[in-house]
Amino acid sequence: SYELTQPPSVSVSPGQTATITCSGVDLGNKYASWYQQKPGQSPVLVIYQDSQRPSDIPERFSGSNSGNTATLTISGTQAMDEADYYCQAWGSSPVVFGGGTKLTVL
Amino acid sequence: QVQLHQWGAGLLKPSETLSLTCAVYGGPFSSYYWSWIRQSPGKGLEWIGEINHSGTTNYSPSLKSRVTISVDTSNNQFSLNLTSVTAADTAVYYCANAAKVGATTWFDPWGQGTLVTVSS
Repeated sequence: SYELTQPPSVSVSPGQTATITCSGVDLGNKYASWYQQKPGQSPVLVIYQDSQRPSDIPERFSGSNSGNTATLTISGTQAMDEADYYCQAWGSSPVVFGGGTKLTVL
Repeated sequence: QVQLHQWGAGLLKPSETLSLTCAVYGGPFSSYYWSWIRQSPGKGLEWIGEINHSGTTNYSPSLKSRVTISVDTSNNQFSLNLTSVTAADTAVYYCANAAKVGATTWFDPWGQGTLVTVSS
């Protein structure tokens, strides 16, 4: 079955750029989406179709996807961005989620 | 703006059937697929399956033998049944709107989640 791999944790200082990766075989030929989940809350879509941002998501969130890796980038990271982030793709499952990355802003 | 509200029993005994329902408000029910996704305590997200307004379903291969997703178009609702539950099925269950364009799917918005605990 298709698998997506994310680093368990990423740390970033406030105001700096956070980069979260998601790896999968030939992922660049699929579309990746990203979700933010804060403790006790439901996931929220932050990026879809690799790089599209829902209208209510801040511009500091961006995405890219090439080769075997999709990347979520948060520019000018704020304390409110501290959360778990999950990538997702349409694969052989047919839907697959990555294991999640805990973003710490410190 | 689409909103989802879900409900169902939160405590089950092993071998019982999990039943959850999700109501869709404020959106064109017939235009999307509707999914169930679960999250075990402290773990990641697992897709369970989906249905559209016509009743066409897709299920996760790992759960397919125990899952049924149904739709009630007259009330803009869809439901999840998972039979023969065990402790491994303890999780927060979410319903979600699945947008599909070509060869991709994304989920937005999500319901508020229902914690289902399986314990004897």
